[in-house]
Amino acid sequence: SAVISQKPSRDICQRGTSLTIQCQVDSQVTMMFWYRQQPGQSLTLIATANQGSEATYESGFVIDKFPISRPNLTFSTLTVSNMSPEDSSIYLCSVELTGAGANVLTFGAGSRLTVL
Amino acid sequence: RKEVEQDPGPFNVPEGATVAFNCTYSNSASQSFFWYRQDCRKEPKLLMSVYSSGNEDGRFTAQLNRASQYISLLIRDSKLSDSATYLCVVNDAGYALNFGKGTSLLVTP
Repeated sequence: SAVISQKPSRDICQRGTSLTIQCQVDSQVTMMFWYRQQPGQSLTLIATANQGSEATYESGFVIDKFPISRPNLTFSTLTVSNMSPEDSSIYLCSVELTGAGANVLTFGAGSRLTVL
Repeated sequence: RKEVEQDPGPFNVPEGATVAFNCTYSNSASQSFFWYRQDCRKEPKLLMSVYSSGNEDGRFTAQLNRASQYISLLIRDSKLSDSATYLCVVNDAGYALNFGKGTSLLVTP
């Protein structure tokens, strides 16, 4: 199975600033996803990071707020822009688990973001 | 987005007990079903997929009831290490996975 490295693992940021989270996979993967898990809430898909094209965003999430890059098949970044305290959350990168069947995901360890 | 509902718990059970969680989903067209486990301050990890015929993996048994639109997870002979949050996950369409909020289990000595 793929090994996912995410950084930073945690950060505390000031309101109005932006933070970029990096996700590195140890093998080439077609599908990479960014999820958010707010305190006491379920995981919510932000977007699918597409290699060589614009990310596909879910309802309620927009590119201006969460720009995503996917320069190759092993790397992606998610930026949380113009942060507010409501953006405090865990952000998780995930990829489809090879050989385990469709839709089975493995996750990075997550980036815990606190916005003051 | 369609809903996935779970009892948040917590379920407090003694070691060796049998415990069962249910999860209901609202989209009758859902195709794939999973249970993930999430330890405190860790990422979710796949526990098992749930097949139409039901499936068992050691002490864990998962079942799907399409008619009533629920899936279940049964844990036999609970261990202290089973303490975690168990997430019910349903695939509605394509690659969009719909996560429940999770059921918290605490196994006590």
